[in-house]
Amino acid sequence: GAGVSQSPSNKVTEKGKDVELRCDPISGHTALYWYRQSLGQGLEFLIYFQGNSAPDKSGLPSDRFSAERTGGSVSTLTIQRTQQEDSAVYLCASSLVSSPYEQYFGPGTRLTVT
Amino acid sequence: GNSVTQMEGPVTLSEEAFLTINCTYTATGYPSLFWYVQYPGEGLQLLLKATKADDKGSNKGFEATYRKETTSFHLEKGSVQVSDSAVYFCALSDRSNNDMRFGAGTRLTVKP
Repeated sequence: GAGVSQSPSNKVTEKGKDVELRCDPISGHTALYWYRQSLGQGLEFLIYFQGNSAPDKSGLPSDRFSAERTGGSVSTLTIQRTQQEDSAVYLCASSLVSSPYEQYFGPGTRLTVT
Repeated sequence: GNSVTQMEGPVTLSEEAFLTINCTYTATGYPSLFWYVQYPGEGLQLLLKATKADDKGSNKGFEATYRKETTSFHLEKGSVQVSDSAVYFCALSDRSNNDMRFGAGTRLTVKP
């Protein structure tokens, strides 16, 4: 079946503008994760959704970052008033409830803030 | 808190050489351990995993053994190929957390 998809694949934006990144998880996967991968760095956990439970937002770096998941499927990560340090690859992953530790990753969105 | 430390790269090897990428972890509970691989231009994909001490994960000729006594999960392959060139990430997931902790990644280049 289809894997995790993300859009756009690349986004260039001006400092101070808002951006929205989209993630479509694998059908049937109820857990969804957002990560940030900065150049030369590992993956930084941002936020986690599980079913209808309140999301775990403990990894969000500032209040400019927010995410929502509508209907338990598609998720949108929003960054307000973007800064140059927000430039990174944003990765989305999903997993089955029964196997929460095996995550399937999307190709990522490369965000460049100029 | 939980964390993963892996060998810094880049690593450059000749084809058929032996590969070891070191990974050590810190965890308060009983984590599951993973190696993910990111091939050029592709997303991360699970390479192998081990869910308890002394388990050995294996896939595509790669192996890693969960060593609780040394808190390690080193990745090995006896004979690398050019197609193994990629970035390798060690990761752990603890049942007490929702997230997965990743290492910084090790870039491997295999030359013919």
